[in-house]
This record gives sequence, C-alpha cells and structure tokens, in this order.
Amino acid sequence: DAGVIQSPRHEVTEMGQEVTLRCKPISGHDYLFWYRQTMMRGLELLIYFNNNVPIDDSGMPEDRFSAKMPNASFSTLKIQPSEPRDSAVYFCASSLGNRETQYFGPGTRLLVL
Amino acid sequence: AQTVTQSQPEMSVQEAETVTLSCTYDTSESDYYLFWYKQPPSRQMILVIRQEAYKQQNATENRFSVNFQKAAKSFSLKISDSQLGDAAMYFCAYGGRSTSGTYKYIFGTGTRLKVLA
Repeated sequence: DAGVIQSPRHEVTEMGQEVTLRCKPISGHDYLFWYRQTMMRGLELLIYFNNNVPIDDSGMPEDRFSAKMPNASFSTLKIQPSEPRDSAVYFCASSLGNRETQYFGPGTRLLVL
Repeated sequence: AQTVTQSQPEMSVQEAETVTLSCTYDTSESDYYLFWYKQPPSRQMILVIRQEAYKQQNATENRFSVNFQKAAKSFSLKISDSQLGDAAMYFCAYGGRSTSGTYKYIFGTGTRLKVLA
C-alpha cells in the first residue's frame, strides 16, 4: 500500500496568496483527518471527515481555512488568504473506523512570508 | 474537555537501557482509547502502541509496553533495550467520544527522547 499521500511536500508563498494542500488517503479508509503542527501549539486536529462528510471542524482556526473531500480518495485544505502565522506542518491522516489507528502522511511544510 | 499532558519535554537514555515516558489525561468518558506515536526527524508520524480503555491488560509491542492506570488516568510508555533508532519525539494521544457525540482526538505536546551511545 502506498500509504497516505500528501502534496506538495513543501510550499513557500507570500502573505495574501491562496494555498491548497492535497491529500490522498489509504484506499478503503473511511476517516480522513487534517492536523496542523507548530512549535507553539503542538499537533492540533483541524477537521475530520467520515465517508467524505465533515464531522467536526471545530479545530479550524478561522474562515480563511476550508476543507473539502469531494470523493473517497481525495481531500483538500485551502487557506485563503494566507498569513505568516499559518506557517506550520500540515498532516493528513486516514483510518478505517474512528477508533482505529490513524496513518499519517509525510506532511506539508508551509511557509508564508 | 479532554486533555492530554506530557510533563517531560525531553528525556535521555543510554543505549540498551530502559526509559519510561509519562502521560496523563483527563476525560469524563468511560469509552476511549490511547496511543503513543513516534515522530523521528523525518517528521513521519508512526504508531508505536495502542490501548483500549476497556482492556485491563497493558499493551505490549516488542520492546515497547505501556503502564495503563485507568483510575489514575495515566498512560506511560516504557522502552526497553533502547536503540539509537528510538531517538524521536513521542506523542501521547487520546481518542474518545465527546459530550457532543463526535469523537475527539487530542495529542500531548510531546517528549523528545535522546538515546546516548
């Protein structure tokens, strides 16, 4: 199995630009999670989906952040407009069931200048 | 609200020795599960071990074992025969249903483990 795939691996952008992060979960997994990791706040859950439906988005910082899952094999996390404080590593993870092990992707390191 | 606390920002262990990483959590739920994840310098999050709260027996995975004390809400990780490859950031994590009915997934702040040759 290829594991969870994220793209891009690194993203450098300027403040105000739109950023789109992409994730392909493990085939057959029905849960998909987006996390953000920073030195200050650690690893935070932003949103998670079950069967492509958003279940809990209470971790999404503000309206500049949005996430979609148009089908079982693809999800996006969009930041518009981006700000320097959005600089972080963003992880996508998937699992088979909400009580099972979450398998993480390699992360996207985002730097907003 | 559920919380996860890792009080040791950094730990060191001599190669081949044993080390224990601490984790405490707080929840009012009875049905939940706990994880330890490892994050090496590559940044990849890797599951180390998993424990269901309803199971009294402590989980074991090769050199890794947990001491799960449900009443004390403690979930420590013991690494035996430490190897250089164990050097990483270790995160304790909680998963369980919240009062709203959705599941909550909460990670601790991590403990950086250094293994000394």
